[in-house]
Amino acid sequence: EAGVAQSPRYKIIEKRQSVAFWCNPISGHATLYWYQQILGQGPKLLIQFQNNGVVDDSQLPKDRFSAERLKGVDSTLKIQPAKLEDSAVYLCASSSKGQTPTDTQYFGPGTRLTVL
Amino acid sequence: AQKVTQAQTEISVVEKEDVTLDCVYETRDTTYYLFWYKQPPSGELVFLIRRNSFDEQNEISGRYSWNFQKSTSSFNFTITASQVVDSAVYFCALSETFSGGYNKLIFGAGTRLAVHP
Repeated sequence: EAGVAQSPRYKIIEKRQSVAFWCNPISGHATLYWYQQILGQGPKLLIQFQNNGVVDDSQLPKDRFSAERLKGVDSTLKIQPAKLEDSAVYLCASSSKGQTPTDTQYFGPGTRLTVL
Repeated sequence: AQKVTQAQTEISVVEKEDVTLDCVYETRDTTYYLFWYKQPPSGELVFLIRRNSFDEQNEISGRYSWNFQKSTSSFNFTITASQVVDSAVYFCALSETFSGGYNKLIFGAGTRLAVHP
């Protein structure tokens, strides 16, 4: 079974530029998560989708971050415009149902973003 | 508020030593789940174990063991006879249930384990 795929793996941009990350979850997984992991910290949930609907985006900086999951499969996370403090690894994860804590989250390799 | 504390930022051991990674959590929920994930240098978080709050039995899987103590709100992870391949960052996490019955994970800051030959 293929795991969670993410691209690109690395991205370097100047501040105030825009950037987009892509995630393809495990086939059949209804729930998709985007996390931000700043160096030296644990992952922090930005947004959670159940199929193509958002169930939690309370920690997403909505003035600059946006995400969508069209057709309930792939997802993109966009930052516009980027700030220096957005430098982090952006992790995508998926789980089969999402409505039970016994539902294991499987993570992709992440996209490392550097904002100069 | 839900919180996970991993007080050890970095641990360095020599191969074959035993090592324990500490995890302390705070929650108002009566039912909750705790997790450990491993993050090797490749960056991908790998699920290791899930434990529910009703099951305080210790668990052993090969060289890995977990000690859950509800009385002290701790869920510690021990690696016996450590190996170089165990070098990684280890995260403890707590599930939080929110509206609609959905769950999200609250992660600790992680402990970086370096195992030297």
